Amino acid sequence: QKEVEQDPGPLSVPEGAIVSLNCTYSNSAFQYFMWYRQYSRKGPELLMYTYSSGNKEDGRFTAQVDKSSKYISLFIRDSQPSDSATYLCAGAGSARQLTFGSGTQLTVLP
Amino acid sequence: DAGVTQSPTHLIKTRGQHVTLRCSPISGHKSVSWYQQVLGQGPQFIFQYYEKEERGRGNFPDRFSARQFPNYSSELNVNALLLGDSALYLCASTHTSTAFGNTIYFGEGSWLTVV
Repeated sequence: QKEVEQDPGPLSVPEGAIVSLNCTYSNSAFQYFMWYRQYSRKGPELLMYTYSSGNKEDGRFTAQVDKSSKYISLFIRDSQPSDSATYLCAGAGSARQLTFGSGTQLTVLP
Repeated sequence: DAGVTQSPTHLIKTRGQHVTLRCSPISGHKSVSWYQQVLGQGPQFIFQYYEKEERGRGNFPDRFSARQFPNYSSELNVNALLLGDSALYLCASTHTSTAFGNTIYFGEGSWLTVV
């Protein structure tokens, strides 16, 4: 079993839709949770960073972490074609070594 | 400020050869980590260096090695290349190994193809 499980998709939504991306993890030592966006053949770009459980909002993006159920979510409101990318969730413990999911490929159709 | 810079951006090597990949962290960042991303997968942790010392190693064979220099730049070396080493190699920098809230920034990566 992988430490971080992520539905690979692909996920296709119309422009303006609310997108929900989800991951589960198994390592109880994880304290830090990130969402990265990766465009084709580019390096990952940090979107959201959360420490421990709770919600964090930044513009159209909301990240949620539920440590009791080991569930990580990213919501994108008013999705845009420019949001089309692969979204990677990641967790890390005190060693600060990221463990990534396999990524979800998102396409937002105009 | 310049971001994390990596070189070369693309390279092709033959099985059995050796490769060196280079990374310059963001100015002021003292910690560098290396990740391997195979096509269709998420990045996988290889090494972490802080203040020129190895602070972590992932589940990779001894053919993989790295080092960090006094200016905090880093090299990743891979010996006896295999076809399965074909991947995007990513370098990430953070300010310190303890203040994780500073977040991790990735470079654009080095695309390695082994033929």
